[in-house]
Amino acid sequence: AQKITQTQPGMFVQEKEAVTLDCTYDTSDPSYGLFWYKQPSSGEMIFLIYQGSYDQQNATEGRYSLNFQKARKSANLVISASQLGDSAMYFCAMREGGAQKLVFGQGTRLTINP
Amino acid sequence: KAGVTQTPRYLIKTRGQQVTLSCSPISGHRSVSWYQQTPGQGLQFLFEYFSETQRNKGNFPGRFSGRQFSNSRSEMNVSTLELGDSALYLCASSSWGDYGYTFGSGTRLTVV
Repeated sequence: AQKITQTQPGMFVQEKEAVTLDCTYDTSDPSYGLFWYKQPSSGEMIFLIYQGSYDQQNATEGRYSLNFQKARKSANLVISASQLGDSAMYFCAMREGGAQKLVFGQGTRLTINP
Repeated sequence: KAGVTQTPRYLIKTRGQQVTLSCSPISGHRSVSWYQQTPGQGLQFLFEYFSETQRNKGNFPGRFSGRQFSNSRSEMNVSTLELGDSALYLCASSSWGDYGYTFGSGTRLTVV
């Protein structure tokens, strides 16, 4: 069963607009962590933000915030004031409990238009 | 501090050959994990090593193997290469207690 679902294969956004990238997950483990990574065309995976299942507050890191809705099992990434440099693939990932591996979604290709 | 270093960046091999990829983690990180990224299958977990021991293995054939050295550097080996092994291979390191994984820039393997 697919554990991480990203339903938007591609998104096009005007520069300076806010953008929300969707991510839903499935797990029966009460302890888990959710991650968002950015992958530019160069290939490296850049860590953006993390949300733990027991965290009370939504995570924020600069222009990135994570809209964590536990009951809905969703962990959407919000990028405020988008920039041309935000154009890249974005991956949502999950780590369950003590597992030492990440399970990734299929990714969303974000294109920022000037 | 230096990031995760993967070598080589690009590699072209012929079917049937074998290949070894290298990953040097961030200094002090003892966990190294490997992922395969292809357009069709996306990002898939290969294996994870901690203090020279494989703790976790993904669903890949035995042709895929790895090891970790006492300095935490890791290598992965693919024997009897197939066309379908063409992929970007990413290595990530983490420290005990950290939730974050830092990835390298990857090795892009092309099998012809």
